[in-house]
This record gives sequence, structure tokens and C-alpha cells, in this order.
Amino acid sequence: AQRVTQPEKLLSVFKGAPVELKCNYSYSGSPELFWYVQYSRQRLQLLLRHISRESIKGFTADLNKGETSFHLKKPFAQEEDSAMYYCALLISSGSARQLTFGSGTQLTVLP
Amino acid sequence: NAGVMQNPRHLVRRRGQEARLRCSPVKGHSHVYWYRQLPEEGLKFMVYLQKENIIDESGMPKERFSAEFPKEGPSILRIQQVVRGDSAAYFCASSPPGQGLYNEQFFGPGTRLTVL
Repeated sequence: AQRVTQPEKLLSVFKGAPVELKCNYSYSGSPELFWYVQYSRQRLQLLLRHISRESIKGFTADLNKGETSFHLKKPFAQEEDSAMYYCALLISSGSARQLTFGSGTQLTVLP
Repeated sequence: NAGVMQNPRHLVRRRGQEARLRCSPVKGHSHVYWYRQLPEEGLKFMVYLQKENIIDESGMPKERFSAEFPKEGPSILRIQQVVRGDSAAYFCASSPPGQGLYNEQFFGPGTRLTVL
């Protein structure tokens, strides 16, 4: 069965420091991975997807199939990055199209 | 474009009552998904619907839970005879029609259900 693991519930870094939010997955098919973010009092929104190979708000994430990881990184954290981050795996098999989420990491960027 | 709308935002029910959660997808979106989030956990997939069809209900509990997405009107997640363990945040998401496998899912603000 598919699984997404985010080992850190809480992560605090100082402004300007690098940040890495870890995500590991388990899936027998070809993985399609996403990072979603939820800022305080806002709804869950897509941050980035691995297939796009994009950088959003300075964040990047590289899919490493050998290590089954999709860690989210930013070289210089900003206070406005403080939020809840969820890693998600898309299961699209047959008619199924569901996201499997990790339990989330609460990032706090300290001044 | 108001995005995905869910109501009510908060719902309190006593054990044994019914809970009805509504979701209006983004205008033009024909795919709706329901997820449940228990405290300290990630979102768990429940059901995937298109207009008048349940496509995948592999995440739905076998009893008391049902979902529909009628031709007209919002999608409804119905929980009959609620129990304390049903207390959770229920999120709806929608995506546009089409064959693309990687369509982004747009999430609503959620309905927080509390069962007394």
C-alpha cells in the first residue's frame, strides 16, 4: 500500500537559514509527488509538483527514486514561510485519482 | 472565482444524529474529492466523484457514510448516526475535467465536525 512519511512534526529555523522539510514515500507504481502548504487561517494550496521541476517562492523539491524521497528545500528561509507543509503522492490507477498525504510538518521561521 | 466553497464551516452534532456537509466546486470543475483529517494526522482520501457518478469510494467507511454529486447543486457528504470518532475536519477538493492525470486539486476551507 502507498504511504507518505514526514518524520518531523515541527521544524524551527532562523530567518535566512536554509530549510529542508523531509518527505519519503512508498509506492509500487510511478510516483507523482506534490507539496501543499497551508498558511495560518488559509486553505490548503498547491506549492509545487515534481513533474514541473519548478521553483515556487524559492522552494524546490527533487524526486529521488533511489531514496524514495521528495524533500522540500529553500536556501534562505523567510518569516512568511511559516506554515504547515504537506507532502502528497498522487495515485492515478484506472479510474482512481486520489492524493495520499503525509502527516505534515509545521515550519516556524524565527526572526 | 470564489474557489471551492464548503458549508457549514463548523458543525456540532450529538451522537446518533446525521451530519450533512456540502461542497460547491470551482466553477467549471466536474471532479470532486472528499478527504478527512483526524487530529495530528494528514488528510485521508475518502471518495472521488464526477457529476452523478461515484468513481472511487475506496476510502469511505463501509457503513453510515455516503456521498453524492448531483447534476445540479453541491456535492454532499452524509454521515448517518454519527459517533465521537467521526469528529474531524472534512475537506473537499475539485479539479477540472479532462484526461490529464496531473490536474491540480483545489481545496476548500474544510468543515470541522464535532460530535458530542
